[in-house]
Amino acid sequence: QKEVEQDPGPLSVPEGAIVSLNCTYSNSAFQYFMWYRQYSRKGPELLMYTYSSGNKEDGRFTAQVDKSSKYISLFIRDSQPSDSATYLCAMIVPSNTGKLIFGQGTTLQVKP
Amino acid sequence: GAGVSQSPSNKVTEKGKDVELRCDPISGHTALYWYRQSLGQGLEFLIYFQGNSAPDKSGLPSDRFSAERTGGSVSTLTIQRTQQEDSAVYLCASSLAVGTDTQYFGPGTRLTVL
Repeated sequence: QKEVEQDPGPLSVPEGAIVSLNCTYSNSAFQYFMWYRQYSRKGPELLMYTYSSGNKEDGRFTAQVDKSSKYISLFIRDSQPSDSATYLCAMIVPSNTGKLIFGQGTTLQVKP
Repeated sequence: GAGVSQSPSNKVTEKGKDVELRCDPISGHTALYWYRQSLGQGLEFLIYFQGNSAPDKSGLPSDRFSAERTGGSVSTLTIQRTQQEDSAVYLCASSLAVGTDTQYFGPGTRLTVL
C-alpha cells in the first residue's frame, strides 16, 4: 500500500461543475498538505498549501484536511476548461528535509 | 522574477551513455530538490541540497545517479551508463529554505533512453 493514494481518473466534467478531488494517506504524522496543478509537459505549480486540519479557500478553490480520517480534498467551483490538468496532492515527510511525497495525480478534463 | 529553469528540456540518448541534467534555482533559494516523474511510479523524490551539501541521498535509485551543487546555486544531476528504465521526466524544485517552505518547480527535462 502506498503512503499516499489518489485516484488517477481521468475525471471528465462539464464546464461550470463543482469538482471534488481526493487523497488518502497512511502516516498520521503528516502535518503539511499541498495541492499542485500540472499542465501537460509543464512542471507542477502550487495551488493550495494547508497546515493540519481545517479548510482553506482561495477564489474558486477550497482545500480541506481531515486528519482524523487521513483524508484531504480539493474542491473547484465553477470549473473552467482552463482547469483541465493533472492535480497532485503532496505532503511533507516529517523529517525536516522538505521531502515531498506525492499522490499519483488525477487527470481532470473540463468540457466546454 | 525568473522561476526555476532546467536544461535541456528534452534529451534522447542511447543506452549506456552518460547524461547531465542542469537546474538553475530561483535566486536566493538555499534549498534545491530533484524529483523524477514516470508513468508507473508517479513523482518521486531523488535528492535534496541545503546550500551545497546533500544530507539525504536515499532517494537516488542506484549508484549510477549522482548530483552536485556548486556556489549554492546551479545543480547538476548525472546519470551514468543510462538504462531504458531511466526514461522519465526529471524535475527540479527550489525553496527559500529546507523544511516547510513552498517548493517551486521547473519545467523538467524529459529523458528518453533508447
